[in-house]
Amino acid sequence: AQSVTQLGSHVSVSEGALVLLRCNYSSSVPPYLFWYVQYPNQGLQLLLKYTSAATLVKGINGFEAEFKKSETSFHLTKPSAHMSDAAEYFCAVSENTGGFKTIFGAGTRLFVKA
Amino acid sequence: NAGVTQTPKFRILKIGQSMTLQCTQDMNHNYMYWYRQDPGMGLKLIYYSVGAGITDKGEVPNGYNVSRSTTEDFPLRLELAAPSQTSVYFCASRGSDTEAFFGQGTRLTVV
Repeated sequence: AQSVTQLGSHVSVSEGALVLLRCNYSSSVPPYLFWYVQYPNQGLQLLLKYTSAATLVKGINGFEAEFKKSETSFHLTKPSAHMSDAAEYFCAVSENTGGFKTIFGAGTRLFVKA
Repeated sequence: NAGVTQTPKFRILKIGQSMTLQCTQDMNHNYMYWYRQDPGMGLKLIYYSVGAGITDKGEVPNGYNVSRSTTEDFPLRLELAAPSQTSVYFCASRGSDTEAFFGQGTRLTVV
């Protein structure tokens, strides 16, 4: 069965500092992995995805994530935080079988201090 | 291109009432999903469908029903609303792309 663990329900960084949001997954088959962002009172928007091509994936708004099979991790990073990055971030896993269900982590709320 | 459209955006129900949350997509996607989002819990899968006429339970199906008579529409039915069903509900669809596309959500309060 698939599962996703996001370490830290809240992360606070200063503007201009490195953003690191942690995600570990479990899957019985090679997974697809995603990071979604949710701004207040909105739906989920795809930031980036890993689909078994390059292990370092670049997404929108300067975010990137690295797939590490040996660590079953897919951490999200951004070199320099901006105030507009304040939002909730969800890591998700999907298997390329059955109903292609996407399973989400509990989310990490990112706060950016001026 | 509208993508995934959910109606209504907000609704207040009394305990025991019923309602249908509407979801429609215009991307000709085969796969559709209903999730509920509760604070600190992420998104939990309620039901999903792999095509017209085919539905299956997700992680938290109790208290809900779905149907999929067309490719475009995937309504979620609450028969006897309970306070535990107070949540934000998201519909999503997926095609040949690997990621799911989400609607803007329906915020439901049961009082």
